[in-house]
Order: sequence, then C-alpha cells, then structure tokens
Amino acid sequence: NAGVMQNPRHLVRRRGQEARLRCSPMKGHSHVYWYRQLPEEGLKFMVYLQKENIIDESGMPKERFSAEFPKEGPSILRIQQVVRGDSAAYFCASSPTHIGSSYEQYFGPGTRLTVT
Amino acid sequence: DQQVKQNSPSLSVQEGRISILNCDYTNSMFDYFLWYKKYPAEGPTFLISISSIKDKNEDGRFTVFLNKSAKHLSLHIVPSQPGDSAVYFCAASAANNNDMRFGAGTRLTVKP
Repeated sequence: NAGVMQNPRHLVRRRGQEARLRCSPMKGHSHVYWYRQLPEEGLKFMVYLQKENIIDESGMPKERFSAEFPKEGPSILRIQQVVRGDSAAYFCASSPTHIGSSYEQYFGPGTRLTVT
Repeated sequence: DQQVKQNSPSLSVQEGRISILNCDYTNSMFDYFLWYKKYPAEGPTFLISISSIKDKNEDGRFTVFLNKSAKHLSLHIVPSQPGDSAVYFCAASAANNNDMRFGAGTRLTVKP
C-alpha cells in the first residue's frame, strides 16, 4: 500500500510562471489536505478537499492559489504568477475519514518550490 | 494567530535519558492532539495521539500527557535513541474545524 505521493519533489520556477503541485492520496483515502511550511515555521493549513469538492479553503491566499481534487487523478495545487515569497515546502496529507476531530493525517514527502 | 505553540525550538538529550517535548494551546475547542515526527527532506510521520477524554496515552517508548486545565501537552520519549533525532510537531484538531493546527516544531538531538 503506497503512501501519499507528491510530485515533483523539487520545482524551480521564475517569477511570474505557474507552479503545479500534484498529490496522490493513499489508496482508500478520500480526504486531502494541503499545507505550506516556510523556513523555521510549522505547517500552515491551506485547503481541505474531498473528491470534486473543496470543503475548506480558509488557509488559501485569496489570489493566485487554487486547488482541485478531480474524480479521477491526483489533487492539484496551482500557484499562478509565482513570487519569491511562494518559495516553501508544500505538503499534502490524506486521511481515510474525517469524522469529528479524531483522525490521523498521513503526509507525503513534500514538494520544495523555489522561485528565482 | 498561533493556537498551538512549541516554545522550545530545540532540545538536546543524551542517549538513554528521557526527552520531554512540550506543547501549549489556546483554543479550548481542541479535543484531539497528535505528535508528528519529521526527518529532513521527508514528510511528517504520525507518532502518537490523545483524545481530550484521556490524560495519558502510551505506545512503547512514547507517552503523551495531556493537561486540559493548563492547555498543555507533552511527549515523553524514554529511553531516547540517536534515531529519535528529528523535528517533532505538535498538532491539534477540533470537531467544528476542518483544519489541523500545527506548532512550529522542536528539533530533538539525541547524542550517543
């Protein structure tokens, strides 16, 4: 049973380009979460999705950032017109359930985005 | 708005001794708490959790203690091993929230 997979592991983009980060949840998991980790900081929640639905995007910047989790295929975090401040590690997590608060999230290895 | 705080950015312990990592939270609605361990260039790995109806949960060398009145939890690792050297994140969730809040992490170094 493969874990959460993310690709690419490293992504370099010039300012103004688009970044697409992919996440395949663990088999059987239908809940996906995206987090961002800036240097020397903890994980900051961005968005929570289920298949074809955005459940909570309260942690997403209002502009340039979007996320989707289509019926088929991986979840995608898209950052348009990247700026240097977007440089960070982006982690995806998945969980089999999301009932109340008692659930564990399983993390992927992360995508390290560098904006030059 | 830092609802989960880990005030010690780093901790160094001798092999075989006890490691105690601390975490404080401010949101009284949190009712499930987790500890994650993270090695460089890897994603966080779930370690142990505790529900607010308990004050202690033990799994092998790892024990988590929860003090609800103080809004404080701690992770005890005993005996500490060099392979435990990693960054440890405290996290908390609430039934009425969709997100899990993480602390900034504590870097544990276990010296042989």
